[in-house]
Amino acid sequence: EIVLTQSPGTLSLSPGERATLSCRASHSITSNFLAWYQQKPGQAPRLLIYGASSRATGIPDRFSGSGSGTDFTLTISRLEPEDFAVYYCQQYGNSPQTFGQGTKVEIE
Amino acid sequence: QVQLVESGGGVVQPGKSLRLSCAASGFTFSRYGMHWVRQAPGKGLEWVAVIWYDGNNKYYADSVKGRFTISRDNSKNTLYLQMNSLRVEDTAVYYCARDALSGSGSPPADWGQGTPVTVSS
Repeated sequence: EIVLTQSPGTLSLSPGERATLSCRASHSITSNFLAWYQQKPGQAPRLLIYGASSRATGIPDRFSGSGSGTDFTLTISRLEPEDFAVYYCQQYGNSPQTFGQGTKVEIE
Repeated sequence: QVQLVESGGGVVQPGKSLRLSCAASGFTFSRYGMHWVRQAPGKGLEWVAVIWYDGNNKYYADSVKGRFTISRDNSKNTLYLQMNSLRVEDTAVYYCARDALSGSGSPPADWGQGTPVTVSS
């Protein structure tokens, strides 16, 4: 099983700032099948990025994904008030699929 | 628009069984892989299982393998999760979710609202 470790656990930032979230895998992820999700309290997750760097339908371009192999990054170029939430990475290239433990982006 | 509606959750004693259903609409169900993902109270997401669009391939998390069975009825546009030998640690909100792309090899993109399962004596 591939273990995904996200860092930091919590990111305290202000609106307008840049957010950089990390996801590190215990083994190389097949075909860079790495996704990023946003989840707000009481809501289902929302797919942001798939294939490490492709934005899902309707996702603003301030969200971008990068990386390959075992190291991946989600960048939010300028935080909007609605971006404060928990973010998860997920690998879907190897079975069983797995999620990281999440990074909370909170208002400083 | 894509709609996924889970049902079948509830309170059950350890060792008992429960079957969850997910009714799909707004897309051609038989073309998409489908997942179950769960979230324990106050915890992160845990992937549970996936079934390919044609039902020919199924994969499970180690924590549920041998106890849970994912299945689908493409004629009824419905996804199922049969959960046997339930444990306290299976307590969670269970989401069904549709692959982002038709065929296989894409992550969950569209999610239901979730159905809560509580395993307690």
